[in-house]
Amino acid sequence: QSALTQPASVSGSPGQSITISCTGTSSDVGSYNLVSWYQQHPGKAPKLMIYEVSKRPSGVSNRFSGSKSGNTASLTISGLQAEDEADYYCCSYAGSSTYVVFGGGTKLTVL
Amino acid sequence: QLQLQESGPGLVKPSETLSLTCTVSGGSISSSSYYWGWIRQPPGKGLEWIGSIYYSGSTYYNPSLKSRVTISVDTSKNQFSLKLSSVTAADTAVYYCARHLGFDCSSTSCYWNWFDPWGQGTLVTVSS
Repeated sequence: QSALTQPASVSGSPGQSITISCTGTSSDVGSYNLVSWYQQHPGKAPKLMIYEVSKRPSGVSNRFSGSKSGNTASLTISGLQAEDEADYYCCSYAGSSTYVVFGGGTKLTVL
Repeated sequence: QLQLQESGPGLVKPSETLSLTCTVSGGSISSSSYYWGWIRQPPGKGLEWIGSIYYSGSTYYNPSLKSRVTISVDTSKNQFSLKLSSVTAADTAVYYCARHLGFDCSSTSCYWNWFDPWGQGTLVTVSS
């Protein structure tokens, strides 16, 4: 069982927007703005898409955005494209005892 | 462009020690503020952080794996390595190495940020 809870799957049609949630606790997501999101296509390595809750690395499309409210972080993808179909993982700093925790992953299907 | 590449045996017997090396190219492993981490992903499952190391040799491990994990660094070769002892079938996974941003680090803890970039990953199967 993963420390952070994500929905197993989400779907959307091209052009639509979807949001993936990542629920933690007051010991991780709720206490630190150190949430990151990773995109993973089948058979490929994860790719950093969002860091520090809402910042985008250079080269990542501005269709990807992140936010946080309380113990839940969210990744929103707007203007869905076929190439966005992938697994998405959230990750959070979890304090000096646990350090780093990941979510269980969400499979995004573009219909 | 920074690149990481994992290498090591793809098959390990139960109770033995898994050993992997990550070679960093396109940049120095001795860069300040950056740590170097290992993450694994069992087939069809999610990601699990194993641990991270600074070029000075300071290490930080996932508490759930700490008793079996050793991460070391060789700055002369621009490499860092993972050893996981007493493996079982549950340790079968794709193992990734990645650059890991940490800050305000003490000897016992760090504030951990993102992983980027990642190596392509290597599948290690534990089986007799």
